[in-house]
Order: sequence, then structure tokens, then C-alpha cells
Amino acid sequence: QKEVEQDPGPLSVPEGAIVSLNCTYSNSAFQYFMWYRQYSRKGPELLMYTYSSGNKEDGRFTAQVDKSSKYISLFIRDSQPSDSATYLCAMSKQETSGSRLTFGEGTQLTVNP
Amino acid sequence: GAVVSQHPSRVICKSGTSVKIECRSLDFQATTMFWYRQFPKQSLMLMATSNEGSKATYEQGVEKDKFLINHASLTLSTLTVTSAHPEDSSFYICSAASWTDGYTFGSGTRLTVV
Repeated sequence: QKEVEQDPGPLSVPEGAIVSLNCTYSNSAFQYFMWYRQYSRKGPELLMYTYSSGNKEDGRFTAQVDKSSKYISLFIRDSQPSDSATYLCAMSKQETSGSRLTFGEGTQLTVNP
Repeated sequence: GAVVSQHPSRVICKSGTSVKIECRSLDFQATTMFWYRQFPKQSLMLMATSNEGSKATYEQGVEKDKFLINHASLTLSTLTVTSAHPEDSSFYICSAASWTDGYTFGSGTRLTVV
């Protein structure tokens, strides 16, 4: 069983839709949670970083963490064609910069104009 | 924000030759650098973790003699794919980590071995 499960999609939505991306994890040792966006043939870029359970908002993006259910989500409001990319959840057990990240498989999102 | 420069972005080499990929943190010192490999439509697979001045720690199944990692300074790490073969063709991505900026990824290198 994978430590982190993420639906690979693909997910296709119309412009302006609310997008919900999710990951589940099995190891309660994960304490730090991140969402990355990766455009084709590019490196991942950090969108959101969260630690505690609850919601964190940044513009059109909201990250949600539920540690009791081992479930994290990323919501994208008013989705735009430029949001079309692969979204990767990632998590680590420690805050230290030397701690390895464990990634989900990534969800491929297409926002249609 | 933190920037990691990775070069080259794309390289084509002949089978049997070696290729060096460079990863440089431009405006911060990286305590740790990570090297990943990514196949089409798949997630990132960690190959190795390196700290400045010490030997890299390789993940299970990754040949350390084939994928040579050098982390000579706090701003530079290199990955050399030795005696490359077509099955080594892939997308390689580095990540530099620091206390102040977290994890920052390079833009990736697409290696094609012909």
C-alpha cells in the first residue's frame, strides 16, 4: 500500500468551476503538507504549505488538512485555463529541510475555456 | 523567492556516454539537495539525498555507481549519469532545501539517450 494516495484523474472542468483535489495518507507521522503545481516538462512549484488541521487560504487556493481522517484537499476557486497542470500533494514527517518529501501520484487538471 | 537553476534543460546523448546535470541554488544556501526522476504521467521518484561535503544517500534500487552525485558546496550539486543507456532516458529534477525557504525545485532536465 502506498503511503500517499492521490487520484491521478484526468480531471476536466469548465472555466470558472471550483476544483477539488484530494490526497489520503496512511502514516500518522506525516505532519507537514504541501501542494505543488507542475506544468508539462517543468519542475514543481509550491502552491500551499500547511501544518495544522484546518483551512489555509491564499487567493483562489484553499488548502484543507484533516489529520484525524488523514485527508488533505486543495480547492481552486474560479478556475482558469492557466490552472491546467498536474497537481501533486506532498508531505513530510519533520519540518527540517533535510526531511524527504513523499509525493502523491499527481492529478492532471484541464480547465477548458 | 528562492530560485534553483538546473542545467541543461534538455540533453540528447549517445549510448555509452556520460551526462552531467547541474543544480544551483541562486540566492540561498541549500542544506540538502534531492535528486528525483520522473517518468511520463508519473510522480517524482526520489533517487538520492545529498548534504554538502558528504556522500549522497541513495534510495533502494538506485545504482550509486551509475548516478554519481557531487555536492561540493552549499549552492551546487551535480548528477552525472555514467555510461548512459536508452532506459536512462527520463526527466530528472533537483530540489534544494533550506531552513528559510523550504523545498525549491529546479526546472528539470529531459535526458534522451539514443
